[in-house]
Amino acid sequence: QQQVKQSPQSLIVQKGGISIINCAYENTAFDYFPWYQQFPGKGPALLIAIRPDVSEKKEGRFTISFNKSAKQFSLHIMDSQPGDSATYFCAAGGRGSNYKLTFGKGTLLTVNP
Amino acid sequence: DARVTQTPRHKVTEMGQEVTMRCQPILGHNTVFWYRQTMMQGLELLAYFRNRAPLDDSGMPKDRFSAEMPDATLATLKIQPSEPRDSAVYFCASGLVVDGTPSTETQYFGPGTRLTVL
Repeated sequence: QQQVKQSPQSLIVQKGGISIINCAYENTAFDYFPWYQQFPGKGPALLIAIRPDVSEKKEGRFTISFNKSAKQFSLHIMDSQPGDSATYFCAAGGRGSNYKLTFGKGTLLTVNP
Repeated sequence: DARVTQTPRHKVTEMGQEVTMRCQPILGHNTVFWYRQTMMQGLELLAYFRNRAPLDDSGMPKDRFSAEMPDATLATLKIQPSEPRDSAVYFCASGLVVDGTPSTETQYFGPGTRLTVL
């Protein structure tokens, strides 16, 4: 049973545009929601994370929006750049899952110059 | 610059052979995760350890996979015998959990071992 569903699988955006990736989770015990960024040939790296006590977190051009009642969260990349081209994974975890993460299947983002 | 290291980076082997992958977590981290990444399944958690004790290996095929932490600086993932369906990239990640409350929940991933089983 997939506990974290991520969409879309792939996304093409023009430079300067907004990239939006969505995730939905099922387990209400999750209390930590990170996004990881992975470049080809590299391991995933933490990009930004949020806890359910806030509805939005912004770091530079990256924003997480969180809707606890809908059990959904999303990543917004403003002013997308070619260097943002990568695979993005949402995940869910926290104390309720003994600090292990369940990952979405990933979104391949391509930002065209 | 602290980072997780994994060896080997690439491994090509024939079906039926034993494969051992090694991971050195970031010094001071007490939690180690093993993941498998494929196009079809994405990132799957195979097993994880805290303070060298296995906490969960439910994601791992028990008949052929085994994971151990001989000491705090080394984690191993072994496949015996290997099969073509085991071809994937295997990632190790480490993190720090203190007294049941994480100082940070960030998992730091290594560069991965790309395994090809012919």
